[in-house]
Amino acid sequence: TQLLEQSPQFLSIQEGENLTVYCNSSSVFSSLQWYRQEPGEGPVLLVTVVTGGEVKKLKRLTFQFGDARKDSSLHITAAQPGDTGLYLCRGNKLTFGGGTRVLVKP
Amino acid sequence: DTGVSQNPRHKITKRGQNVTFRCDPISEHNRLYWYRQTLGQGPEFLTYFQNEAQLEKSRLLSDRFSAERPKGSFSTLEIQRTEQGDSAMYLCASSLAGTGGATEKLFFGSGTQLSVL
Repeated sequence: TQLLEQSPQFLSIQEGENLTVYCNSSSVFSSLQWYRQEPGEGPVLLVTVVTGGEVKKLKRLTFQFGDARKDSSLHITAAQPGDTGLYLCRGNKLTFGGGTRVLVKP
Repeated sequence: DTGVSQNPRHKITKRGQNVTFRCDPISEHNRLYWYRQTLGQGPEFLTYFQNEAQLEKSRLLSDRFSAERPKGSFSTLEIQRTEQGDSAMYLCASSLAGTGGATEKLFFGSGTQLSVL
């Protein structure tokens, strides 16, 4: 089983601040996905990264896939309360990371 | 297309009882996954189907858990002789598996929250 470790486990920031969350593994992945989950709902896909070194932007969210395809990061610029949620990475069909819970205070 | 539907949304049961959950995937999706999630944690893989075939089952899953997907459409997850440790959110997801190398997009239902008293 390929394990995915996410850090930090919890992040609380004020509206307007920036944040970065990380997803790391000792294994190489052919691709990696980021999902966001709100309380009481299932996760929703944000992005899939495929190429080592790839950077994808989704409005205020920037996703990066490590050159060696073992790690990824998600950076949020000028966070808003609507960004609050559990951010999950997924590296293959079966495995999700433990998640980073983000709380953006107004 | 109404998305992935799970029923019931909530289930409260007494220890030792059997429970069954249902998942209706997006109609054209050929893969269906079951995950379990406890508060603040990531989803833990339980099992998945491609059409009606159950292709993989977590080694962590005890023999009290069984899942079916007759005719490759809806799926049921049954837990026999429930224990308090089974209390969790049970999530179902479906996807359309393609031939490309990228991990397919999972569409999740809202889950069934199980509480075992």
